[in-house]
Amino acid sequence: QKEVEQNSGPLSVPEGAIASLNCTYSDRVSQSFFWYRQYSGKSPELIMSIYSNGDKEDGRFTAQLNKASQYVSLLIRDSQPSDSATYLCAVNMRGATNKLIFGTGTLLAVQP
Amino acid sequence: EPEVTQTPSHQVTQMGQEVILRCVPISNHLYFYWYRQILGQKVEFLVSFYNNEISEKSEIFDDQFSVERPDGSNFTLKIRSTKLEDSAMYFCASGGQVNEQFFGPGTRLTVL
Repeated sequence: QKEVEQNSGPLSVPEGAIASLNCTYSDRVSQSFFWYRQYSGKSPELIMSIYSNGDKEDGRFTAQLNKASQYVSLLIRDSQPSDSATYLCAVNMRGATNKLIFGTGTLLAVQP
Repeated sequence: EPEVTQTPSHQVTQMGQEVILRCVPISNHLYFYWYRQILGQKVEFLVSFYNNEISEKSEIFDDQFSVERPDGSNFTLKIRSTKLEDSAMYFCASGGQVNEQFFGPGTRLTVL
């Protein structure tokens, strides 16, 4: 069973729309959840972290966590062409080392 | 804004040669990591390092790999005898007291 799963996409949305990215994870005792943005050929850039159930908003980004369903999502409001990238979901599994387990990422394409 | 730096940006080597990848983590961070990403695949954890010792390593991190923090600023990954399958992007990351990890720009390793 895969530890962190994401739809690979591409997810295509028009400029100005809301993009919704989803992620599920297998380890019930996972504690910390992160969304990274990765442009082609570049390194992952941390955009959101979430630790408790519910929503967390930062500018145009909202992360949502549901531990009972083992589900974390990222909403991007007013999507811009510059948001076009691969979005990586990362989960800190049980243990004290903070090792991150990444999903394969969802490619987002925002159409002007 | 402080950032993780990595050198070189691109390393080309012959199979069987030793390579050292270098990283300068964010100055007040205490946790250091190496990840790798084979082209087209997901980001994979290699090793975490805290308090001058390895705190966790993955199955990938075999005897050919080693890490070192030779001074107060640098963090290195050594691959003793490179194989073709070691070709990948290698990312260094660092983290402070919270679980967030910040990635450097990466070193592209090409083994011929």
